[in-house]
Amino acid sequence: DQQVKQNSPSLSVQEGRISILNCDYTNSMFDYFLWYKKYPAEGPTFLISISSIKDKNEDGRFTVFLNKSAKHLSLHIVPSQPGDSAVYFCAADGGSRLTFGEGTQLTVNP
Amino acid sequence: GAVVSQHPSRVICKSGTSVKIECRSLDFQATTMFWYRQFPKQSLMLMATSNEGSKATYEQGVEKDKFLINHASLTLSTLTVTSAHPEDSSFYICSARDRGLSGPYNEQFFGPGTRLTVL
Repeated sequence: DQQVKQNSPSLSVQEGRISILNCDYTNSMFDYFLWYKKYPAEGPTFLISISSIKDKNEDGRFTVFLNKSAKHLSLHIVPSQPGDSAVYFCAADGGSRLTFGEGTQLTVNP
Repeated sequence: GAVVSQHPSRVICKSGTSVKIECRSLDFQATTMFWYRQFPKQSLMLMATSNEGSKATYEQGVEKDKFLINHASLTLSTLTVTSAHPEDSSFYICSARDRGLSGPYNEQFFGPGTRLTVL
Protein backbone atom coordinates (compact mmCIF):
# COMPACT_ATOMS: atom_id res chain seq x y z
CA ASP A 1 0.00 0.00 0.00
CA GLN A 2 1.73 3.13 -1.24
CA GLN A 3 0.81 5.81 1.28
CA VAL A 4 2.78 8.55 -0.45
CA LYS A 5 2.65 8.82 -4.21
CA GLN A 6 4.38 10.99 -6.75
CA ASN A 7 2.57 10.24 -9.96
CA SER A 8 4.96 12.00 -12.29
CA PRO A 9 8.23 10.09 -12.65
CA SER A 10 9.76 12.94 -14.60
CA LEU A 11 9.34 16.64 -15.34
CA SER A 12 11.19 18.83 -17.80
CA VAL A 13 11.10 22.63 -17.63
CA GLN A 14 12.93 25.54 -19.19
CA GLU A 15 15.40 27.56 -17.16
CA GLY A 16 13.72 30.53 -15.54
CA ARG A 17 10.25 28.99 -15.59
CA ILE A 18 8.36 27.49 -12.69
CA SER A 19 8.73 23.83 -11.71
CA ILE A 20 5.78 22.25 -9.93
CA LEU A 21 6.22 18.85 -8.35
CA ASN A 22 3.22 17.08 -6.90
CA CYS A 23 2.69 14.55 -4.14
CA ASP A 24 -0.41 12.81 -2.80
CA TYR A 25 -0.84 10.90 0.43
CA THR A 26 -3.50 8.68 1.92
CA ASN A 27 -2.75 8.57 5.65
CA SER A 28 -4.47 11.41 7.49
CA MET A 29 -2.23 10.77 10.52
CA PHE A 30 0.78 12.25 8.76
CA ASP A 31 1.54 15.54 10.50
CA TYR A 32 4.71 16.75 8.84
CA PHE A 33 5.82 16.74 5.23
CA LEU A 34 9.24 17.19 3.71
CA TRP A 35 10.84 17.53 0.32
CA TYR A 36 14.27 16.07 -0.35
CA LYS A 37 16.55 16.52 -3.31
CA LYS A 38 18.76 13.66 -4.42
CA TYR A 39 21.59 13.40 -6.90
CA PRO A 40 22.71 10.00 -8.26
CA ALA A 41 24.85 7.98 -5.86
CA GLU A 42 24.28 10.46 -3.04
CA GLY A 43 22.02 10.58 -0.02
CA PRO A 44 18.96 12.83 0.00
CA THR A 45 19.41 16.40 1.17
CA PHE A 46 16.66 18.26 2.95
CA LEU A 47 15.02 21.04 0.98
CA ILE A 48 11.92 22.35 2.70
CA SER A 49 9.19 21.13 5.01
CA ILE A 50 5.71 21.99 6.19
CA SER A 51 3.69 21.18 9.25
CA SER A 52 0.14 19.94 8.84
CA ILE A 53 -1.14 23.03 10.64
CA LYS A 54 0.07 25.24 7.81
CA ASP A 55 -0.85 25.45 4.15
CA LYS A 56 2.22 27.19 2.81
CA ASN A 57 5.89 27.49 3.59
CA GLU A 58 8.35 29.52 1.58
CA ASP A 59 12.14 29.52 1.50
CA GLY A 60 13.78 31.53 -1.23
CA ARG A 61 12.94 30.01 -4.60
CA PHE A 62 11.16 27.07 -2.99
CA THR A 63 7.57 27.06 -1.78
CA VAL A 64 5.63 24.09 -0.50
CA PHE A 65 1.83 24.09 -0.50
CA LEU A 66 -0.30 21.71 1.52
CA ASN A 67 -3.95 20.98 0.84
CA LYS A 68 -5.05 18.77 3.72
CA SER A 69 -8.57 18.22 2.48
CA ALA A 70 -7.22 16.87 -0.80
CA LYS A 71 -4.26 15.16 0.90
CA HIS A 72 -2.02 16.82 -1.61
CA LEU A 73 1.17 18.80 -1.45
CA SER A 74 3.25 20.47 -4.08
CA LEU A 75 6.68 21.98 -4.38
CA HIS A 76 7.13 25.09 -6.50
CA ILE A 77 10.56 26.16 -7.68
CA VAL A 78 10.77 29.55 -9.29
CA PRO A 79 12.78 30.50 -11.17
CA SER A 80 14.10 27.06 -12.05
CA GLN A 81 17.82 26.70 -12.60
CA PRO A 82 19.86 23.96 -14.33
CA GLY A 83 21.42 23.11 -10.96
CA ASP A 84 17.97 22.15 -9.72
CA SER A 85 18.06 19.09 -11.95
CA ALA A 86 17.80 16.11 -9.59
CA VAL A 87 15.32 13.61 -8.22
CA TYR A 88 12.89 15.14 -5.76
CA PHE A 89 11.27 12.98 -3.09
CA CYS A 90 8.37 14.01 -0.94
CA ALA A 91 8.17 12.38 2.46
CA ALA A 92 5.55 12.23 5.16
CA ASP A 93 6.20 11.81 8.85
CA GLY A 94 3.71 9.94 11.01
CA GLY A 95 5.79 10.26 14.16
CA SER A 96 8.16 7.32 14.14
CA ARG A 97 9.49 7.31 10.61
CA LEU A 98 9.35 8.88 7.18
CA THR A 99 7.42 7.42 4.27
CA PHE A 100 8.77 8.42 0.89
CA GLY A 101 7.17 8.85 -2.48
CA GLU A 102 8.69 7.31 -5.58
CA GLY A 103 10.45 10.47 -6.62
CA THR A 104 10.24 12.80 -9.62
CA GLN A 105 13.21 13.41 -11.88
CA LEU A 106 13.33 17.13 -12.60
CA THR A 107 15.35 18.31 -15.58
CA VAL A 108 15.85 22.04 -16.06
CA ASN A 109 17.01 22.85 -19.56
CA PRO A 110 19.25 25.88 -20.17
CA GLY B 1 24.04 21.60 9.30
CA ALA B 2 24.28 18.16 10.82
CA VAL B 3 26.53 15.70 9.03
CA VAL B 4 26.09 11.96 8.68
CA SER B 5 28.85 9.88 7.16
CA GLN B 6 28.79 6.39 5.73
CA HIS B 7 31.67 4.04 5.13
CA PRO B 8 32.47 2.59 2.71
CA SER B 9 30.92 4.60 -0.09
CA ARG B 10 31.24 1.67 -2.44
CA VAL B 11 31.93 -2.02 -1.95
CA ILE B 12 32.18 -4.98 -4.30
CA CYS B 13 32.20 -8.44 -2.79
CA LYS B 14 31.83 -12.06 -3.74
CA SER B 15 28.63 -13.96 -3.15
CA GLY B 16 28.55 -15.57 0.28
CA THR B 17 30.68 -13.00 2.07
CA SER B 18 29.48 -10.54 4.70
CA VAL B 19 29.73 -6.79 4.36
CA LYS B 20 29.60 -4.20 7.13
CA ILE B 21 28.46 -0.63 6.49
CA GLU B 22 29.03 2.07 9.10
CA CYS B 23 26.86 5.11 9.69
CA ARG B 24 28.12 7.91 11.90
CA SER B 25 26.64 11.18 13.07
CA LEU B 26 29.64 13.49 13.10
CA ASP B 27 28.52 16.53 15.07
CA PHE B 28 25.43 15.44 16.95
CA GLN B 29 24.06 12.59 18.99
CA ALA B 30 21.45 10.48 17.28
CA THR B 31 18.60 9.03 19.30
CA THR B 32 17.48 7.01 16.34
CA MET B 33 19.09 5.84 13.15
CA PHE B 34 17.33 4.47 10.10
CA TRP B 35 18.53 2.21 7.32
CA TYR B 36 17.06 2.51 3.85
CA ARG B 37 17.56 0.66 0.62
CA GLN B 38 17.06 2.13 -2.82
CA PHE B 39 16.73 0.20 -6.05
CA PRO B 40 17.37 2.00 -9.33
CA LYS B 41 14.67 4.53 -10.16
CA GLN B 42 12.67 3.59 -7.10
CA SER B 43 11.85 5.15 -3.78
CA LEU B 44 13.77 4.82 -0.55
CA MET B 45 12.49 1.76 1.28
CA LEU B 46 12.87 1.76 5.05
CA MET B 47 14.54 -1.45 6.19
CA ALA B 48 14.85 -0.93 9.92
CA THR B 49 14.87 1.58 12.74
CA SER B 50 17.48 1.37 15.46
CA ASN B 51 17.66 3.09 18.82
CA GLU B 52 20.89 3.23 20.76
CA GLY B 53 21.17 0.36 23.21
CA SER B 54 18.15 -1.57 22.02
CA LYS B 55 17.28 -4.02 19.28
CA ALA B 56 16.43 -2.73 15.86
CA THR B 57 12.87 -2.75 14.60
CA TYR B 58 12.67 -4.29 11.16
CA GLU B 59 10.10 -3.54 8.51
CA GLN B 60 7.89 -6.30 7.19
CA GLY B 61 9.69 -8.47 4.70
CA VAL B 62 13.21 -7.55 5.86
CA GLU B 63 15.16 -10.53 7.21
CA LYS B 64 16.69 -9.56 10.53
CA ASP B 65 19.16 -12.44 10.40
CA LYS B 66 20.41 -11.32 7.03
CA PHE B 67 20.61 -7.60 7.74
CA LEU B 68 22.18 -7.27 11.18
CA ILE B 69 21.96 -3.84 12.74
CA ASN B 70 23.97 -2.74 15.75
CA HIS B 71 23.49 0.71 17.25
CA ALA B 72 26.52 0.68 19.52
CA SER B 73 26.52 4.33 20.54
CA LEU B 74 24.69 7.61 20.01
CA THR B 75 26.93 8.33 17.02
CA LEU B 76 27.40 4.94 15.36
CA SER B 77 25.15 2.35 13.77
CA THR B 78 26.31 -0.54 11.60
CA LEU B 79 24.48 -2.63 9.03
CA THR B 80 25.97 -6.02 8.23
CA VAL B 81 24.72 -7.83 5.16
CA THR B 82 25.43 -11.46 5.94
CA SER B 83 26.08 -14.08 3.28
CA ALA B 84 25.48 -11.52 0.58
CA HIS B 85 23.99 -12.57 -2.76
CA PRO B 86 23.64 -10.69 -6.05
CA GLU B 87 20.04 -9.76 -5.24
CA ASP B 88 21.36 -7.82 -2.23
CA SER B 89 23.13 -5.45 -4.59
CA SER B 90 21.65 -2.05 -3.95
CA PHE B 91 22.22 1.47 -2.66
CA TYR B 92 22.01 1.54 1.13
CA ILE B 93 21.41 4.84 2.91
CA CYS B 94 21.34 5.61 6.59
CA SER B 95 19.83 8.57 8.36
CA ALA B 96 19.96 9.88 11.91
CA ARG B 97 17.73 11.97 14.11
CA ASP B 98 19.35 14.67 16.22
CA ARG B 99 18.82 14.08 19.91
CA GLY B 100 19.59 17.66 20.80
CA LEU B 101 17.01 19.39 18.65
CA SER B 102 13.97 20.77 20.40
CA GLY B 103 10.61 21.56 18.89
CA PRO B 104 7.77 19.50 17.50
CA TYR B 105 9.82 17.79 14.86
CA ASN B 106 13.15 15.97 14.93
CA GLU B 107 14.62 16.12 11.49
CA GLN B 108 16.41 13.23 9.84
CA PHE B 109 19.82 13.80 8.28
CA PHE B 110 20.93 11.41 5.60
CA GLY B 111 24.28 9.86 4.89
CA PRO B 112 25.75 9.83 1.37
CA GLY B 113 24.89 6.18 0.83
CA THR B 114 26.82 2.98 0.13
CA ARG B 115 26.72 1.21 -3.20
CA LEU B 116 26.92 -2.56 -2.65
CA THR B 117 27.63 -4.83 -5.60
CA VAL B 118 27.63 -8.57 -4.99
CA LEU B 119 29.22 -10.63 -7.73
